[in-house]
Amino acid sequence: IAGITQAPTSQILAAGRRMTLRCTQDMRHNAMYWYRQDLGLGLRLIHYSNTAGTTGKGEVPDGYSVSRANTDDFPLTLASAVPSQTSVYFCASSGAPGANVLTFGAGSRLTVL
Amino acid sequence: GQNIDQPTEMTATEGAIVQINCTYQTSGFNGLFWYQQHAGEAPTFLSYNVLDGLEEKGRFSSFLSRSKGYSYLLLKELQMKDSASYLCAGMDSNYQLIWGAGTKLIIKP
Repeated sequence: IAGITQAPTSQILAAGRRMTLRCTQDMRHNAMYWYRQDLGLGLRLIHYSNTAGTTGKGEVPDGYSVSRANTDDFPLTLASAVPSQTSVYFCASSGAPGANVLTFGAGSRLTVL
Repeated sequence: GQNIDQPTEMTATEGAIVQINCTYQTSGFNGLFWYQQHAGEAPTFLSYNVLDGLEEKGRFSSFLSRSKGYSYLLLKELQMKDSASYLCAGMDSNYQLIWGAGTKLIIKP
């Protein structure tokens, strides 16, 4: 089934630890995005990639890094997790930057203690 | 600044009609989106408006007024499965999406 796969589904992490959230899509979409979703707030863009080999900063990039070595994979890394990074993280993709439909992964729920 | 406003929560009765409003302020405008998100799941695309007027898609319709910075999502013949959060998002001149916090719709029998 075509779509986006995120892993892990859920994770509890000690503060200060390094964590990578994985995201893989099989739709050959050029653009990929990482969002975080917190209660009472809209989805906030962390980082994005318009095409393989390029990345950009979103609204809340501090404490996060991404890479886009190929079209399919777009991992998000927390170098040293802090409690304020407790959130639900969604990876999304679209056929082209600014295309009008995003396809989202199922989300990764991260708790930092 | 850029901002999307929508009600936090609404309640409606099964079989009825509900209208979820959204007002937006974006730097430039490249369209207004509505997504549905069931609890614990990913958002899924519902509708896209870039021109003024009403777009109808089955039981769901979406309206846009660019001069008023206003949109609404209209859900008819409500079903229990429509209980979800409805996210409004505006696309700015850089083709970035600005998201509202979502409206939680509760459907009662």
